[in-house]
Amino acid sequence: DGGITQSPKYLFRKEGQNVTLSCEQNLNHDAMYWYRQDPGQGLRLIYYSQIVNDFQKGDIAEGYSVSREKKESFPLTVTSAQKNPTAFYLCASSDMQGNADTQYFGPGTRLTVL
Amino acid sequence: QKEVEQDPGPLSVPEGAIVSLNCTYSNSAFQYFMWYRQYSRKGPELLMYTYSSGNKEDGRFTAQVDKSSKYISLFIRDSQPSDSATYLCAMSMGGSYIPTFGRGTSLIVHP
Repeated sequence: DGGITQSPKYLFRKEGQNVTLSCEQNLNHDAMYWYRQDPGQGLRLIYYSQIVNDFQKGDIAEGYSVSREKKESFPLTVTSAQKNPTAFYLCASSDMQGNADTQYFGPGTRLTVL
Repeated sequence: QKEVEQDPGPLSVPEGAIVSLNCTYSNSAFQYFMWYRQYSRKGPELLMYTYSSGNKEDGRFTAQVDKSSKYISLFIRDSQPSDSATYLCAMSMGGSYIPTFGRGTSLIVHP
């Protein structure tokens, strides 16, 4: 079964803690993305990576960090510098071979700050 | 003005109705147009994508693009309660550009 997996499904963080959200894909896609979704705000791009060992900031990168050491994996760390991290986080990937830029999404991780 | 505008709804219709969901955009360079369906607390699922203007049909779903008006639509025929979800439009210039998403329209199909 090809697809994108995200773990955990639910995550709780205490103030001042860093937490890491996992994203793995077996679609052999080159590009991977992290979005944050808040009620009424749509999808906001945090970081993206189009090749291993390289990544770029999106619109709201402050307080987040990523790595791309393997093609299949793109973990997101929510640091203590992120002032309002409670949100639904979505990972996506695309193959960059065609021209459509269609993205395929994982099931999401809901992060709650206690 | 946002690049992609989408009415958040909610849009409430009776079962069996024809649903029309719409997005407008301002960037004439957009070439690829996508529709995603997102159930509550789930990730978006790609429904359809079209290139340039015209119609594309897949079962009960029809995507329509009017580039001259910068207006895209998704029609759902014989709507079912299981179609209740948020529908997001997305569009891109192609060639590894990141798509621009609308905020989504919440659809409720009641029995």
